[in-house]
Amino acid sequence: GAVVSQHPSRVICKSGTSVKIECRSLDFQATTMFWYRQFPKQSLMLMATSNEGSKATYEQGVEKDKFLINHASLTLSTLTVTSAHPEDSSFYICSAQGGLNSYNEQFFGPGTRLTVL
Amino acid sequence: DQQVKQNSPSLSVQEGRISILNCDYTNSMFDYFLWYKKYPAEGPTFLISISSIKDKNEDGRFTVFLNKSAKHLSLHIVPSQPGDSAVYFCAASARSGGSNYKLTFGKGTLLTVNP
Repeated sequence: GAVVSQHPSRVICKSGTSVKIECRSLDFQATTMFWYRQFPKQSLMLMATSNEGSKATYEQGVEKDKFLINHASLTLSTLTVTSAHPEDSSFYICSAQGGLNSYNEQFFGPGTRLTVL
Repeated sequence: DQQVKQNSPSLSVQEGRISILNCDYTNSMFDYFLWYKKYPAEGPTFLISISSIKDKNEDGRFTVFLNKSAKHLSLHIVPSQPGDSAVYFCAASARSGGSNYKLTFGKGTLLTVNP
């Protein structure tokens, strides 16, 4: 149980285009989903927290107009990187919290490697 | 400001021996700690956690120790196996701060277990 999927697993896009990344909890209802990004040899940095049906809460320094987050249902959250630039190239990981272990750990997706040319 | 610190970027141990991964934190509000294991190009996988009301939690080959006064925790893996080779992240949260348990991660330690 507690499986989280992400799609796509990797994407290459041109500078200036927008990219949408999906995060799904497959076997439980995720009341809260988190989006992280990770640069090489760095820690996972929390970008935003989203609760189903409400606006996401962004961490300091993260542009909410650039990284659009939608948590439309208890099993799906999307992150859209708008007008992507090479510096947005990174590994984006989502996690979901809810179900039987909502008091404890987050369950992570496999990540999406974004490369902006 | 790094609130969760893993000062050893890498650790190499022999198969069958003990692996000890260390983590320090600075935020006294943290009251729940977790260890995650991560392979390249994959998301982290939860390993073990500990609440601040305990000083030890054991699950099979994995044991986490917490020293609140020193703001230090460690993950012991014994015996170490080659399949344990991965990056290990320490994470902390302040559960008393609300229902969304945001995690703060360390930079990770690359563990290599040699056959």
